[in-house]
Amino acid sequence: GAVVSQHPSWVICKSGTSVKIECRSLDFQATTMFWYRQFPKQSLMLMATSNEGSKATYEQGVEKDKFLINHASLTLSTLTVTSAHPEDSSFYICSASGRNPSVDTDTQYFGPGTRLTVL
Amino acid sequence: QKEVEQDPGPLSVPEGAIVSLNCTYSNSAFQYFMWYRQYSRKGPELLMYTYSSGNKEDGRFTAQVDKSSKYISLFIRDSQPSDSATYLCAMSGNTGGFKTIFGAGTRLFVKA
Repeated sequence: GAVVSQHPSWVICKSGTSVKIECRSLDFQATTMFWYRQFPKQSLMLMATSNEGSKATYEQGVEKDKFLINHASLTLSTLTVTSAHPEDSSFYICSASGRNPSVDTDTQYFGPGTRLTVL
Repeated sequence: QKEVEQDPGPLSVPEGAIVSLNCTYSNSAFQYFMWYRQYSRKGPELLMYTYSSGNKEDGRFTAQVDKSSKYISLFIRDSQPSDSATYLCAMSGNTGGFKTIFGAGTRLFVKA
């Protein structure tokens, strides 16, 4: 149990376009989802936390108008990078925590990540 | 001072060695302690999960939590080249709307 998927796993886009990344909990209800950004050889940087049906809470320094997060259901959250620029190129990882008899409610389960390259 | 301190390494050991990875923290409210393993260009994978103080063993992995010293450890016995990865410690409190704090991660290389 506790499987989280992300799609796409890898995306290349032109500068100025928008990119949507999906994060799904496959076998449990994700009451909370998290979005992280990771630069090469660095640790995870939390971008935002979202609870199902509520607006996301963004970390200091993260532009909420640039990184749009939607958590419309208990199994799906999306991150849209709007008007992407080369400096947005990074590894984006989602995680989820939630409720299920086989899932530790205070643990985050991570997706495989999405590598974004903006040309 | 960071809430969680973790030596980034890299740590290089020969195959079969016992590996010790550690984190220290400053927030006494932390109750849940996790270790994640992350391979290059992959998402973190949960290895061990411990609540409060004590030891937990799973195969070649042992997690230890010493809340009095605010110190947690992950031991890997009989290390294998496939254990080469970055290991992240993480911890959170038991309040509603918890926030998990991650260490910087320690890069481990196990040489065949």
